[in-house]
Amino acid sequence: DAKTTQPNSMESNEEEPVHLPCNHSTISGTDYIHWYRQLPSQGPEYVIHGLTSNVNNRMASLAIAEDRKSSTLILHRATLRDAAVYYCITSSGSARQLTFGSGTQLTVLP
Amino acid sequence: NAGVTQTPKFRVLKTGQSMTLLCAQDMNHEYMYWYRQDPGMGLRLIHYSVGEGTTAKGEVPDGYNVSRLKKQNFLLGLESAAPSQTSVYFCASSYSILSGIYEQYFGPGTRLTVT
Repeated sequence: DAKTTQPNSMESNEEEPVHLPCNHSTISGTDYIHWYRQLPSQGPEYVIHGLTSNVNNRMASLAIAEDRKSSTLILHRATLRDAAVYYCITSSGSARQLTFGSGTQLTVLP
Repeated sequence: NAGVTQTPKFRVLKTGQSMTLLCAQDMNHEYMYWYRQDPGMGLRLIHYSVGEGTTAKGEVPDGYNVSRLKKQNFLLGLESAAPSQTSVYFCASSYSILSGIYEQYFGPGTRLTVT
């Protein structure tokens, strides 16, 4: 699995968009990009995943760079409940395991 | 539908004691995982299982054993607890969304302290 690099922390104002970056410069062509988040005192939860194209779901959007060496998780309108640690993970197509890094601590300011 | 449940929620052990953590899922998932999370760090995979009766080692398996006798249950055992095993333990289960994608569902965690 490719190593990912994320900022340790970010801040956002409530109801504003948030762009969480992730670098994965050694990603291979068949590696998927996953995002999970962990709310305080809870287990992680799945947010979104993608391979090459940008993806949208009810929680967020995932923008993947054309060269796939970076991606950005977009929360369109941050709420206080979005304050969490966000993990960017890459995994090979055959892998059933996820390797969690230290993630980005998102603070949402009222 | 309870999802993934873990028993117990909290436990304090003395060095050398043994215990078993129970993970149960009611989603008929094939894959199950045990992670540990130390303060300020991400999760590290201890052991995982790709089906009933099968287990495999993850990143940090030493000091732990696991069993998957039933599809819905995954047990994590500590035979002789050490203070270095003080951590929060998370269980997860997953199914295949499509080839190569396994969305994992996590339990609420077990906070274990070894004194």
